Amino acid sequence: AAGVIQSPRHLIKEKRETATLKCYPIPRHDTVYWYQQGPGQDPQFLISFYEKMQSDKGSIPDRFSAQQFSDYHSELNMSSLELGDSALYFCASSLWRAANEQFFGPGTRLTVL
Amino acid sequence: SQQGEEDPQALSIQEGENATMNCSYKTSINNLQWYRQNSGRGLVHLILIRSNEREKHSGRLRVTLDTSKKSSSLLITASRAADTASYFCATDYPNNAGNMLTFGGGTRLMVKP
Repeated sequence: AAGVIQSPRHLIKEKRETATLKCYPIPRHDTVYWYQQGPGQDPQFLISFYEKMQSDKGSIPDRFSAQQFSDYHSELNMSSLELGDSALYFCASSLWRAANEQFFGPGTRLTVL
Repeated sequence: SQQGEEDPQALSIQEGENATMNCSYKTSINNLQWYRQNSGRGLVHLILIRSNEREKHSGRLRVTLDTSKKSSSLLITASRAADTASYFCATDYPNNAGNMLTFGGGTRLMVKP
């Protein structure tokens, strides 16, 4: 069965650079979620989208923005990167009507040098 | 804010033994889920228990939920070396339009062969 696809899987950036992470949800899933997991920490919710509209917002820095496109894929844009942004970024997808069943992608490991 | 917390933080057992991990949360929930994460990898969904359920089984997994104590436990029976991973509980709660998940701190389980 198709799973959530995230790209790239690994990304290395310098401080103050920008990064764009992409997420392709499971086919027919209309909702995507972004989570950030720092080293040795639990995942923290950043933001979610349903039908291209932001549905919830968590601890997402103002330097980050995200959107969902008409094909339901989503992109997380990160600017003015800081060392503390180094983390695993997970995307999850679900059907809105079954939003408790979120399926996670493999994650993008971002390293900021 | 609602947050799941887990104990123990780390657990080391011998293959064949049972492993029990606990999770507590602070506010009323809709569902509680358990996820597994191999070191630095993606989150794999294990089991979901709804707030009106008290116990659920899936293979070697047994989950209990005590809403009066706002706690849940995950029991892995007859553990295997391949069960070595971090285990997180995650909750979603009423009146949350986006159905974001709030993760607990995770238990690092090591199963020695």
